[in-house]
Amino acid sequence: DTAVSQTPKYLVTQMGNDKSIKCEQNLGHDTMYWYKQDSKKFLKIMFSYNNKELIINETVPNRFSPKSPDKAHLNLHINSLELGDSAVYFCASSLTASAAKIRQETQYFGPGTRLLVL
Amino acid sequence: RKEVEQDPGPFNVPEGATVAFNCTYSNSASQSFFWYRQDCRKEPKLLMSVYSSGNEDGRFTAQLNRASQYISLLIRDSKLSDSATYLCVVKPRLGSWGKLQFGAGTQVVVTP
Repeated sequence: DTAVSQTPKYLVTQMGNDKSIKCEQNLGHDTMYWYKQDSKKFLKIMFSYNNKELIINETVPNRFSPKSPDKAHLNLHINSLELGDSAVYFCASSLTASAAKIRQETQYFGPGTRLLVL
Repeated sequence: RKEVEQDPGPFNVPEGATVAFNCTYSNSASQSFFWYRQDCRKEPKLLMSVYSSGNEDGRFTAQLNRASQYISLLIRDSKLSDSATYLCVVKPRLGSWGKLQFGAGTQVVVTP
């Protein structure tokens, strides 16, 4: 029944390590996103893929590399983890309006991955 | 100036009372507006979209004021289960591929 799922839910790791977070959605959506929510609770978009194509790439260190093997999956790999990477990472998905239509697409969020870098 | 600003609260509300709060946005060309709700240690979930004419969903009423660039949320007859952080969300422009801008949230605490 889970619509957007993420693994792992919790990730505690040492500085300098490389880690991956996986996301899957079973809603039939064509667009997926990665957000970072820091300790001040701001949700900031990092990346978005539409039909496996990267369409949003915010100012994010290139230690972060997203990969979308298919429309239903969007993974996030982080190299050389730093203390400042500690945050909650949310995956989301939506069915995106075409450019010709005005439609307010809803984004559905996964449960989040709590990353703590020590 | 932040793109989406909210009073962080907390708004302490007795059960059954009404609470209202606003959110301001900086981009006058913004097209779509939403309120999301985020419970403690959970993911954000869409509460309601905000339409130009204002809209109501049960006890929740959302308003948009384009001239002053703010949206509001009013909760009537507050329930304990309404305790959450309410995130104001703005989509900057048409075709911006779902690039939503989130406020930091307004915390509401409903007390018995």
